[in-house]
Amino acid sequence: AQSVTQPDIHITVSEGASLELRCNYSYGATPYLFWYVQSPGQGLQLLLKYFSGDTLVQGIKGFEAEFKRSQSSFNLRKPSVHWSDAAEYFCAVGFFGNEKLTFGTGTRLTIIP
Amino acid sequence: SQTIHQWPATLVQPVGSPLSLECTVEGTSNPNLYWYRQAAGRGLQLLFYSVGIGQISSEVPQNLSASRPQDRQFILSSKKLLLSDSGFYLCAWTGGDRKKLFFGSGTQLSVL
Repeated sequence: AQSVTQPDIHITVSEGASLELRCNYSYGATPYLFWYVQSPGQGLQLLLKYFSGDTLVQGIKGFEAEFKRSQSSFNLRKPSVHWSDAAEYFCAVGFFGNEKLTFGTGTRLTIIP
Repeated sequence: SQTIHQWPATLVQPVGSPLSLECTVEGTSNPNLYWYRQAAGRGLQLLFYSVGIGQISSEVPQNLSASRPQDRQFILSSKKLLLSDSGFYLCAWTGGDRKKLFFGSGTQLSVL
């Protein structure tokens, strides 16, 4: 069965600093990969997704992620974080023909001034 | 445009009481609908999904049930809540391409 690992439970970065959130998956087939953000008390918002093609994916709010098949990773990056980026971030994996997603346990991002 | 409505936003219920959470989708037809739960300190867990009216699949055995009385309505229920039912419940749907999952705003359920 597929699994998703987000090894960092909590990350704290300074406003304006760069960010990288890690995501590793375990799955035999070519996955669909997603990053979602959950702001406090709200539902999830899709940041970006990878289905095929260019392995560097651009998303909303200045985020990007790179699919590295050799490392089974799909890390989320942002060159300069803003205080409003403080939230919980979820990586998710799906596969062709089945839209059900497997989610990681999430990474909580705290931004300090 | 498509929207998803989920209510209530927060709910506090005593142990043993019933539960009914409702989710409706607008602006689309024949969506796949999902109920997820996020328990404290854990990731999202798929509870139920539905591909059509009256068609419900349960992913994990639990104290909850789901129903889909109309194409764009998905209801999560329980006859008697347990303490372990506390959590953040998210309704979701997939669009025409069945590849993107869109979530509602969630319901924070506290069972006391």
